[in-house]
Amino acid sequence: EDQVTQSPEALRLQEGESSSLNCSYTVSGLRGLFWYRQDPGKGPEFLFTLYSAGEEKEKERLKATLTKKESFLHITAPKPEDSATYLCAVQASRSGGYQKVTFGTGTKLQVIP
Amino acid sequence: GAGVSQSPSNKVTEKGKDVELRCDPISGHTALYWYRQRLGQGLEFLIYFQGNSAPDKSGLPSDRFSAERTGESVSTLTIQRTQQEDSAVYLCASTDPSPYTQYFGPGTRLTVL
Repeated sequence: EDQVTQSPEALRLQEGESSSLNCSYTVSGLRGLFWYRQDPGKGPEFLFTLYSAGEEKEKERLKATLTKKESFLHITAPKPEDSATYLCAVQASRSGGYQKVTFGTGTKLQVIP
Repeated sequence: GAGVSQSPSNKVTEKGKDVELRCDPISGHTALYWYRQRLGQGLEFLIYFQGNSAPDKSGLPSDRFSAERTGESVSTLTIQRTQQEDSAVYLCASTDPSPYTQYFGPGTRLTVL
């Protein structure tokens, strides 16, 4: 069974204090790993897709990296507007072309001014 | 371009009533997923559509829940004889086939009194 575990569950940072969020996964036939941001009362918003170990993607203060067992979302010099819940998900191929997507439970990030 | 839309945005109903939730995906997206998110919790997979067939219904909590999709367009999630534990936000995700990115709607907040 595919598993996605995110840590920590919650993280409180001072503005400018860099840190990393972790997403550990166990899946056979990984096709892609996704990071999403979710603000309260809204649907998740797509951030990145990573396909293979060693790959990195960057967007503003965020950088996502991928190894064979985990992904990290690095946040450099965060600002209060980066406060949100960050979700990780994995995509795996199953029989018949079915694409199974499994989400982690998320890391709730709070950035204090 | 147009994103994923869901209606209604909020639904308050009495226990025992039936409700129908609607999702309008992005044109051209053949895959569509429904999720449930209880307050403060992660995304709970309900059902996956590829076109108008549902290869994976394993997440539907009980036979009170059903869903259908018209071609590669609108999907409806129906909950019969609603219970208080059905109260949650129901999210729909329209999926770009390449890369396999999910675009979420704003959700329908269901409250069962």
